Amino acid sequence: EPEVTQTPSHQVTQMGQEVILRCVPISNHLYFYWYRQILGQKVEFLVSFYNNEISEKSEIFDDQFSVERPDGSNFTLKIRSTKLEDSAMYFCASSGTGDKFNQPQHFGDGTRLSIL
Amino acid sequence: AQSVTQPDIHITVSEGASLELRCNYSYGATPYLFWYVQSPGQGLQLLLKYFSGDTLVQGIKGFEAEFKRSQSSFNLRKPSVHWSDAAEYFCAVAGFGNEKLTFGTGTRLTIIP
Repeated sequence: EPEVTQTPSHQVTQMGQEVILRCVPISNHLYFYWYRQILGQKVEFLVSFYNNEISEKSEIFDDQFSVERPDGSNFTLKIRSTKLEDSAMYFCASSGTGDKFNQPQHFGDGTRLSIL
Repeated sequence: AQSVTQPDIHITVSEGASLELRCNYSYGATPYLFWYVQSPGQGLQLLLKYFSGDTLVQGIKGFEAEFKRSQSSFNLRKPSVHWSDAAEYFCAVAGFGNEKLTFGTGTRLTIIP
């Protein structure tokens, strides 16, 4: 079964540094998402992306965050200047071979981001 | 705004016993509803979904869920649990557009022999 792949599985970064989290969505999917889960808390929506632009973002997704689909397979989340509170598990998801209204989101295994 | 409540933080059941995990949602129209399972160190695996139609939906691993509009509920059930079902279970809702998923806080399931 096709999978969403995320790399790295664990990223340790100094506060203030830039970090890029990478995702390879399922190959024929058209909609892409990032979520995060702070330890012990619920999974929170960050951003959705379709047709090379952001379609929706949460209040968490401020100017420090950006997303990009640099080629036909990768989908990245960049945090420009990391803060301690950015420490979390970040999940990538994808959905929709054409009709997003009847397609569930499929998640990767996540990248655990630790800010020191 | 949409929201999800999972009132049970932790449930313990014996192997072979039946299971019901509760989920209540808040949304002004007919929602899209999902259950995901997360094993330790793993991602979120889709168990089942409700989009429309039959209110009793079947999923993977022998799970089912029933959408009850009058109670704003989408409870997950399994007639006989296996030790491998021990995990964290998340209920989620999406509104019109089926893009932003809003998750509940999760229910941790422990299975005892």
